Amino acid sequence: DQQVKQNSPSLSVQEGRISILNCDYTNSMFDYFLWYKKYPAEGPTFLISISSIKDKNEDGRFTVFLNKSAKHLSLHIVPSQPGDSAVYFCAALSRYGGATNKLIFGTGTLLAVQP
Amino acid sequence: GAGVSQSPSNKVTEKGKDVELRCDPISGHTALYWYRQSLGQGLEFLIYFQGNSAPDKSGLPSDRFSAERTGGSVSTLTIQRTQQEDSAVYLCASTKYTGGNSGNTIYFGEGSWLTVV
Repeated sequence: DQQVKQNSPSLSVQEGRISILNCDYTNSMFDYFLWYKKYPAEGPTFLISISSIKDKNEDGRFTVFLNKSAKHLSLHIVPSQPGDSAVYFCAALSRYGGATNKLIFGTGTLLAVQP
Repeated sequence: GAGVSQSPSNKVTEKGKDVELRCDPISGHTALYWYRQSLGQGLEFLIYFQGNSAPDKSGLPSDRFSAERTGGSVSTLTIQRTQQEDSAVYLCASTKYTGGNSGNTIYFGEGSWLTVV
C-alpha cells in the first residue's frame, strides 16, 4: 500500500520555465512533508519542507504548496535550471500520535531541464 | 566527518553469502534510518532507531535482514544468505530527533551499492 504517491515518473521542462512536481498521500496522520533531490550515485539531499499547519513554504526558487483537504502537495521550481535535473522524492512523516518518526517516500519523479 | 558515512560504497557478493553494511551517522544525531532503493523503485523504509527505544523494524523484508546500533551511534545492517533480489543501494540517514514538535531534516549518506550475483 503506497502511502505517498508520485504519479509522474518523469517531467521535462525548458530552462527558465516553471517545474511543477506533484505528490499525493493517503495517511491523514502525516503532518510534515519534505522534498528531497537525488543525483545519480549520490544520496538524497534535503530540499524543502512544510508543516501541516502551513499551506505554503518558499525558499528561493523552490516553493512547496500543501493542500491538506486534497492530501496533495506540490513543489514548484521557478525558474528551472539545467542543474535542477535530478530525481525528486516527496516524503512524509507523522510526528505525533505515537507513531515513530518514520519517513515514507514516494517513488520519485525524474526532472529533466532542457537548456 | 561532517556527513553520514557509509561503507562499503560498493559490494559485489555471491548469492548465499552474508553481507554487512555500516553506517556512521552525523555526530549528535540520535535517530538513524536504513532505506533501500532497488532499480527503478522508490526509497523503501527498512528500519529506524531512536535513542534507547526499541527499533521500528517494520520495513525489514524478511528475517534474513537485521540491524544493530551499538552505543547509540554506528549501525550495521546485515543481510544473511543474500539473494539476487537484495541487489539495491542501501541508504542510511540520520537526524537530530527533538521530539514530536520538530522541524528537523534527515540527512542521507551516499549509500552502499550491493550487487548479488
